[in-house]
Amino acid sequence: QLVLTQSPSASASLGASVKLTCTLSSGHSSYAIAWHQQHPEKGPRYLMKLNSDGSHSKGDGIPDRFSGSSSGAERYLTISSLRSEDEADYYCQTWDTAIHVVFGGGTKLTVL
Amino acid sequence: QVQLVESGGGVVQPGRSLRLSCAASGFPFSSYTVHWVRQAPGKGLEWVAVISYDGSTKYYADSVKGRFTISRDNSKNTLYLQTNSLRAEDTAVYYCARAALPLDYGTNSEFDYWGQGTLVTVSS
Repeated sequence: QLVLTQSPSASASLGASVKLTCTLSSGHSSYAIAWHQQHPEKGPRYLMKLNSDGSHSKGDGIPDRFSGSSSGAERYLTISSLRSEDEADYYCQTWDTAIHVVFGGGTKLTVL
Repeated sequence: QVQLVESGGGVVQPGRSLRLSCAASGFPFSSYTVHWVRQAPGKGLEWVAVISYDGSTKYYADSVKGRFTISRDNSKNTLYLQTNSLRAEDTAVYYCARAALPLDYGTNSEFDYWGQGTLVTVSS
C-alpha cells in the first residue's frame, strides 16, 4: 500500500535551516514526490518535484532557499535562511496509475 | 499567468446536491488533466477525482465513488464537480489543481497549480 509519512510538526529559528522529511512506504522507494506549501486559509502552492535520485525541479518563483534531496525511501525538503513567511503547512504528494494520488499527513512548520 | 478559480460552495443539507466549478485561465486548458482535492476543517489534503485533458478518462476516490461526478467543458475552460447525496463528512474546502504533465490520460504527474478553494458545508 502506497503511503506517505510526515512528522506532524517541526520548528526552527529565524535565519536557520530546517529539513522536513517525507517517507515512502515499503516497496515504493523509487517513486518521485512533490512538495507543496500551504499557509492558513490559503490554497496550497507547488514547491517542487523531487525524484528518487535527488534531482528536483521547482515551481514558478520558488526561491533558491528551498531545495530537495533523497535517500532511499526518504524525501527531504530543506528550507534555508528561514523567514517568518515560511511558517506554514508542508505536504508531500505522490501518484501512480493504480492508487492515483496520495498525500502525506502534512508537517506544520513553526518559525521561532 | 495560470489561474484556477473555484466557485459554487455553500451550506447544504445532508442528502442534497451541489455543483462546484473551477474556471481556468492563463494556459491551454484543453491540454491538461485536472483534479479535485478537498480538505476537511483542520485536516490534511484528500484527493477526490481526476479527469483527463479530453474528458475521456475519469477516476474517483473510494470515498466519493458513485456520488460525485467530475466533468469539464473545454470550450468554457471550466472544470466541474457534481456532488450528490452529500454527507456531513463531505464538509471541506474543495480545490481544483492542474496536473503538470500535458496531454496525460491518468495520474502520472504532480500538481503544479492550485486554486484558492471553495467551502462546502453539509449540515442540517
